[in-house]
Amino acid sequence: GAGVSQTPSNKVTEKGKYVELRCDPISGHTALYWYRQSLGQGPEFLIYFQGTGAADDSGLPNDRFFAVRPEGSVSTLKIQRTERGDSAVYLCASSLRGGRAETQYFGPGTRLLVL
Amino acid sequence: GQSLEQPSEVTAVEGAIVQINCTYQTSGFYGLSWYQQHAGEAPTFLSYNVLDGLEEKGRFSSFLSRSKGYSYLLLKELQMKDSASYLCAHPAGNNRKLIWGLGTSLAVNP
Repeated sequence: GAGVSQTPSNKVTEKGKYVELRCDPISGHTALYWYRQSLGQGPEFLIYFQGTGAADDSGLPNDRFFAVRPEGSVSTLKIQRTERGDSAVYLCASSLRGGRAETQYFGPGTRLLVL
Repeated sequence: GQSLEQPSEVTAVEGAIVQINCTYQTSGFYGLSWYQQHAGEAPTFLSYNVLDGLEEKGRFSSFLSRSKGYSYLLLKELQMKDSASYLCAHPAGNNRKLIWGLGTSLAVNP
């Protein structure tokens, strides 16, 4: 079956611009996670959705970052007034129900470069 | 606080066995996972341990000691394609988010 997909695969933007990153989870998975990974680091948690609601957004670095999942499936991560420090790989993952023991399945990531 | 520590790099030869260690500190324990990540790709799940002991899955095994806050990933009969980064991670508290180590870069040489 289809795995987690993310678009675009690469995004180059200029400092100060607005970007949207899309994640399409595995069909039927109610839990969706966004992580950010910088070179040589492990992924860093950003936000977790259970259905349509953000169950934990404690990892969002500041109010320039926002994410939605209006129908409980596709999610969009939105970054306003991008800064060079936002450059990273943005990973999306999904799991069936969000249980702690459940495997999180990752998408290929969106590589964001802010010039 | 919650943290996981791993060696940054490990080198081994094809056909050998290698062990990658992970030590962790957490206020509550909900299991520990290992993921493999090839360069430029997303992490893929390898194993999850919640009870002490060794769990074997083919060439890969994972061990956990909760009393010592320690886990390791054991890779046998190494192949060149095993060259990748290996990350340990655990769920944080009541949340489902994963807290990750920095990863161990494994280089398998011929």
